[in-house]
Amino acid sequence: GAGVSQSPSNKVTEKGKDVELRCDPISGHTALYWYRQRLGQGLEFLIYFQGNSAPDKSGLPSDRFSAERTGESVSTLTIQRTQQEDSAVYLCASSLGDFPHINPSTDTQYFGPGTRLTVL
Amino acid sequence: RKEVEQDPGPFNVPEGATVAFNCTYSNSASQSFFWYRQDCRKEPKLLMSVYSSGNEDGRFTAQLNRASQYISLLIRDSKLSDSATYLCVVNRDDYKLSFGAGTTVTVRA
Repeated sequence: GAGVSQSPSNKVTEKGKDVELRCDPISGHTALYWYRQRLGQGLEFLIYFQGNSAPDKSGLPSDRFSAERTGESVSTLTIQRTQQEDSAVYLCASSLGDFPHINPSTDTQYFGPGTRLTVL
Repeated sequence: RKEVEQDPGPFNVPEGATVAFNCTYSNSASQSFFWYRQDCRKEPKLLMSVYSSGNEDGRFTAQLNRASQYISLLIRDSKLSDSATYLCVVNRDDYKLSFGAGTTVTVRA
């Protein structure tokens, strides 16, 4: 079956430009997450969407970062006025999201292949 | 203190060897635990969930010790294809997961 897809797979941009990254979650998954992974480092939580609830934006590093999600489908992560420190792989994940019933099967997050962003 | 801490390694082992490593977590209320593997320049992929009683999946065995707040992963009969970074993952609250920085395992011929 189709997994999580992301586009573009690679993006090279100049400092100061805006970029938009896209994520298509697994069909039926109500929870969607964005993470950032810098080279050689762990995953850094950015934002979480669950159904029609207000998103948890607590991980966004600055107001240059924003994200939207259309219903329970596509999400876009926008970075305005990109800086060199924004260079990283941006990973999207989705899960069944049957919270708050903590259950490994519903908590499991499935990742997309990521978008590698390089800011020159 | 980090929410999830792992020995970064690397663990360099010959084919056929057994390798084991742990991760510790800080939130005693955590209820869901996972091991993910991440290959170089690839996305993380679920290796196995970790259940209270411990569980085994082929050559992989995961254990959970709630009293000491650690999770372990043991790989038996290592294969070259087991070379990867293994991420320890713990739920932080209802929906957030905390990821360790990973333990690198290299299996040599």
